Amino acid sequence: GEDVEQSLFLSVREGDSSVINCTYTDSSSTYLYWYKQEPGAGLQLLTYIFSNMDMKQDQRLTVLLNKKDKHLSLRIADTQTGDSAIYFCAEGLSGGYQKVTFGTGTKLQVIP
Amino acid sequence: EAGVVQSPRYKIIEKKQPVAFWCNPISGHNTLYWYLQNLGQGPELLIRYENEEAVDDSQLPKDRFSAERLKGVDSTLKIQPAELGDSAVYLCASKQTGSYEQYFGPGTRLTVT
Repeated sequence: GEDVEQSLFLSVREGDSSVINCTYTDSSSTYLYWYKQEPGAGLQLLTYIFSNMDMKQDQRLTVLLNKKDKHLSLRIADTQTGDSAIYFCAEGLSGGYQKVTFGTGTKLQVIP
Repeated sequence: EAGVVQSPRYKIIEKKQPVAFWCNPISGHNTLYWYLQNLGQGPELLIRYENEEAVDDSQLPKDRFSAERLKGVDSTLKIQPAELGDSAVYLCASKQTGSYEQYFGPGTRLTVT
């Protein structure tokens, strides 16, 4: 079955880079996602990567995928206080089912 | 363009009472999801609709939970009777058929006392 694991907490200083890590178990996952959740809000899709890609960059965000180790990471460059939130990794299966399984979330704290 | 709308945002009820949550997805999004999010956890799927058809309700506790999407647009999730363990955030999400991008509403925070 699907299982997605993340570390619970990460603290960084403003201006530094943040790296949030995630491992997943389902080798048939087609899409890997990163979502951001701010207090009292729903989840906001930040970016996603196809399983046949190794890397995707979008402005300050860089996603790295190691399919062999089933490891996904999100790097946020020049981290700002507004980046403080909970970040969820998720894996998705393709096909008509398109089930998405979320991790438990990593709380990112940015220290001014 | 309006996002996914949910109401109410907060609800406090006593155990054994009924409660209902409403969701209006983004216009044109045929796929609608209801998720349960417990404190400190990621969302867990309760039910997924393609238009008005519930195509995956395997995780919905059918003894007390029900959902409907009669006209393939708005959806309602109901709990009757509510239990203390149902306290959580109930999230609605939608997407276009064939897309892999789900858009989430702000959620309804339910507290059962």
